[in-house]
Order: sequence, then structure tokens, then C-alpha cells
Amino acid sequence: DIVLTQSPESLAVSLGERVTIHCRSSQNVLNTSNNKNYLTWYQQRPGQPPKLLFSWSSTRESGVPDRISASGSGADFTLTISSLQAEDVAVYFCFQFYGSPHTFGQGTKLEIK
Amino acid sequence: QVQMRASGPGLVRPSQTLSLSCTASGDAVGRRDAAWAWLRQSPGGGLEWIASVYYRGKTSYNPSLQSRATIRVDSSKNQFSLDLNSVTAADTAVYFCARQTTRVLSALTYLYYFDSWGQGTRVTVSS
Repeated sequence: DIVLTQSPESLAVSLGERVTIHCRSSQNVLNTSNNKNYLTWYQQRPGQPPKLLFSWSSTRESGVPDRISASGSGADFTLTISSLQAEDVAVYFCFQFYGSPHTFGQGTKLEIK
Repeated sequence: QVQMRASGPGLVRPSQTLSLSCTASGDAVGRRDAAWAWLRQSPGGGLEWIASVYYRGKTSYNPSLQSRATIRVDSSKNQFSLDLNSVTAADTAVYFCARQTTRVLSALTYLYYFDSWGQGTRVTVSS
């Protein structure tokens, strides 16, 4: 199975500050035939199901604010929040659908300092 | 916009079969270009894909659960369901149903990511 390792596991950041979350895959999830990374990012707010933020490693879903961005390729990926807002408090998961079974990272819990 | 509502028994005895159902609205579970999936989240917060069902009832399972899980679709009711047998305390989790994007290429269906999730139903396995 492909293992996704997220870092840090948790972090507390002041409002307005920058947040960076990493996701490292045990295998490459880039499909060279179509040049797409088979990785997504989800946000799970307390008491809610996960919500898709980015598909194909960096394609922003409708309604996701511009302050949240995603990047990376191959086996290393990053989710960035440029200026933390209160509504960003959540657990963030990366997910790969390149290998079977599809797997999730363990999650990164983001809180306000 | 698709909405999904998962339902289940809440409490299941060890060694029994857990049966879950998901009713979709705003989309058709029988459509050619989507799959319908069950996932779960453990009390520790980890997410795990269990199984997917897609066009004409074709299925895909996580190998770790394949021997105990059965996923089905009922297009007439716009529902899909999951049975998980021989449950133990390790099966205690919140179970989510979700829509999964797909791509059909040369008559093969490739399962991609989950673009919409239902609210989830909590299941406790305990005697």
C-alpha cells in the first residue's frame, strides 16, 4: 500500500499567520502518461464530513478561498494557508488514488494559537 | 448538488453483521460516470476507504476488508448499501458514504477521488 505521511500532526497558529502542511508519499503518485498527480486534499471541520479542497494535487474546488493553495508533484506535496482565518480550524487530510487501495494521510490538526 | 444520508444501527454486537444504507438525492447512483463508496473514520481520526460500487453493480474493495464486506447498489431506490460481517471492536467508527469520481477508458472504469460526502453514521461494536 502507498503510505502518506503528513507533517506536522498538529499545529497551533495565530490568526493572520501562514500555515504549511506537508504530505509525503511512499511512492510516486504522478502518472506520467497524463502528467497528473493522483492526490487530493480534504478539510474536515469539527463534526463534519471531509470536504474536497483540491483535486489533482493543485486544482482548487469551487468555493475554496484563494488564501488556501496546494502544490507539489511526484511524492511531495504541500497545502498552504497564506493568512489563517478562524474558519480554517479543521483537520486536513491528503489522499492518493494512484495505487490500490486508495489511502489517506493520518491528518494534520490545525488550531488557533 | 448531490446529497447523501447514511443510516445504520448505531450499536452492533461483536461477531454480528453491520448493515448500512446510503440514500442519495440530486444524482443517480446508476449513472455511468460515477462510483459510490463507503469509508470510515476510526475514533482516533484515521480515514479508511472500504469499498466502491459503480456501473451495473461492479465493485471494488479494500483488500484489508474484502473478505468481510459486501457493497450493493439499488438504482430503483437510489440507494447503496454495505454489509460488514464478523464485526469486532476494531470496526467501531463513523461510517461515511461518498460519491467517487471515475474515468471510463476503453471499457475500463478507473476510480478516482471522493468529491462529495454524506454526514456519516456512528457505529459502536460492543456487547
